[in-house]
Amino acid sequence: GQQLNQSPQSMFIQEGEDVSMNCTSSSIFNTWLWYKQDPGEGPVLLIALYKAGELTSNGRLTAQFGITRKDSFLNISASIPSDVGIYFCAGHGYNAGNNRKLIWGLGTSLAVNP
Amino acid sequence: DTGVSQDPRHKITKRGQNVTFRCDPISEHNRLYWYRQTLGQGPEFLTYFQNEAQLEKSRLLSDRFSAERPKGSFSTLEIQRTEQGDSAMYLCASSLVGGIRNQPQHFGDGTRLSIL
Repeated sequence: GQQLNQSPQSMFIQEGEDVSMNCTSSSIFNTWLWYKQDPGEGPVLLIALYKAGELTSNGRLTAQFGITRKDSFLNISASIPSDVGIYFCAGHGYNAGNNRKLIWGLGTSLAVNP
Repeated sequence: DTGVSQDPRHKITKRGQNVTFRCDPISEHNRLYWYRQTLGQGPEFLTYFQNEAQLEKSRLLSDRFSAERPKGSFSTLEIQRTEQGDSAMYLCASSLVGGIRNQPQHFGDGTRLSIL
């Protein structure tokens, strides 16, 4: 099935650094979601975006819905050790119809060195 | 706790056995989804319900898989005659349908299935 292109695949950073990851689609999306998943647990919703150009923050996290409607990015400022995990982008395309099925990226694995 | 609840968290079984997982969604959510996730991958859609109606099934859902949501609240996912390839994390999510926005899905912590 369709997948989003998410990059980078993995990141290893020092505590206190800022992090940026992004997601692109070959088609237009009307919703972008960012989730974080810790080992052995389910994805936890971080930020939901619904409008092109929308910029939304959740604490140290900021995400934007790209103006082209085909991309989104997530920034984490001043990283801390508990930011470690896998970050997934997901979204709904305009052709999703009524099924609300999410399309997912493959995730960005983040490691933070204290 | 008012989040999505899944039971059991872990299941180990021999190949060929049947297994059943349960999901209790967030109480006011009318949509319930099942996903499968393997290592290094994002969740793969299996099926979803709106209230008690099963509205879509993925091609991944072979005839050995069946899901129900009889009263529009909790749901069960059964796998019959399990195979080693069924080993994965099975995730349940729920959302509230309303308006023109796609309401975000909230996930449970999954059931980790291991087939011996």
